[in-house]
Amino acid sequence: GQQVMQIPQYQHVQEGEDFTTYCNSSTTLSNIQWYKQRPGGHPVFLIQLVKSGEVKKQKRLTFQFGEAKKNSSLHITATQTTDVGTYFCAGTSGTYKYIFGTGTRLKVLA
Amino acid sequence: DGGITQSPKYLFRKEGQNVTLSCEQNLNHDAMYWYRQDPGQGLRLIYYSQIVNDFQKGDIAEGYSVSREKKESFPLTVTSAQKNPTAFYLCASSAGQGGGIQYFGAGTRLSVL
Repeated sequence: GQQVMQIPQYQHVQEGEDFTTYCNSSTTLSNIQWYKQRPGGHPVFLIQLVKSGEVKKQKRLTFQFGEAKKNSSLHITATQTTDVGTYFCAGTSGTYKYIFGTGTRLKVLA
Repeated sequence: DGGITQSPKYLFRKEGQNVTLSCEQNLNHDAMYWYRQDPGQGLRLIYYSQIVNDFQKGDIAEGYSVSREKKESFPLTVTSAQKNPTAFYLCASSAGQGGGIQYFGAGTRLSVL
């Protein structure tokens, strides 16, 4: 079945350092979404990517969708303590069913 | 105030007992989902429903049951057949013909007594 892998599983960074998490699907996706879950909270939608090679930015966050639509990345520039949480990608092949990645837990040390 | 409401926030199950987790949405969304999250892990799909009176099994449906009698409601029953039910349960909904943004409830933490 379809699988979505995410690396790294954990990342500790000093405040001000950059952070990147990568998402890889075993199958071609129609779109991919990114969510952030704060400790003790629930996932909150960040962004959706649809087009091959698409790049979107939200302030210090840069999201990219691979050319083959099987991988994606989230890059955070100059991390802040408010960036702490777990970042998930979620892919779909055009149906209502989403496959979530395993998540990357980010800790930012002040 | 629109959104997804899950209740209760915390739930304790005795051995051999069935328990039902509530999920209600007033976003007029067609699709609803139930996920299970174990500590330090990702979300695994239990069941999903695209329309009223229709639902499909996800990846870990064994030991769970659902119903979708109303568009706004998608309750999840954790049956006694689920031998390891301790987890964080998240309900979500989305609009559109697949691939829509998912909006999550605050979750229910289920523990076994």
